[in-house]
Amino acid sequence: GAGVSQSPSNKVTEKGKDVELRCDPISGHTALYWYRQSLGQGLEFLIYFQGNSAPDKSGLPSDRFSAERTGGSVSTLTIQRTQQEDSAVYLCASTRGGANTEAFFGQGTRLTVV
Amino acid sequence: GENVEQHPSTLSVQEGDSAVIKCTYSDSASNYFPWYKQELGKGPQLIIDIRSNVGEKKDQRIAVTLNKTAKHFSLHITETQPEDSAVYFCAASTGTGFQKLVFGTGTRLLVSP
Repeated sequence: GAGVSQSPSNKVTEKGKDVELRCDPISGHTALYWYRQSLGQGLEFLIYFQGNSAPDKSGLPSDRFSAERTGGSVSTLTIQRTQQEDSAVYLCASTRGGANTEAFFGQGTRLTVV
Repeated sequence: GENVEQHPSTLSVQEGDSAVIKCTYSDSASNYFPWYKQELGKGPQLIIDIRSNVGEKKDQRIAVTLNKTAKHFSLHITETQPEDSAVYFCAASTGTGFQKLVFGTGTRLLVSP
């Protein structure tokens, strides 16, 4: 596609429910990243994919968070048993891979846990 | 690990004035420093980046300077325009293996007509 696409753009869920956030990276981009942006804060690294494997999951805040990537393309971030502190904008980015290459971000998914 | 600090958190200027945003980083191995602009409801977009083998880079009204000895880098916007109003993020990456960008906390720039 022309850019990184994320869906849904907004999600309101009840505390305790599971949610899935989707990211479609730019075609041909091998590297994919998930970040979390809380209100008034910077971007917090969650997880990185190179192809379908995730060499670095160090940013996932708890075992309620998981992510997968299939076919070297679409990625899904799943949050189980959501808590109010999970409310944030979840951003996905992709790059051509390697170091020092431009990261292209999607518009984000705004998650609100009520 | 890397830590990036960014100042100021908010910056208000008059149209036509210059704006300067400063960042410091902690990991001397960092060698890639991009700046992102985020408009309301959108994802961050790269506006300029600099690599550690360069001290300064300019692109029209935007310039970035890097001081590796002091471990700080700055974004300079000249002749500011209302459309420059946005949140600006600096980031640093060691660029080893993969690009794990560590971001600053952002600067909200408001340019008044």
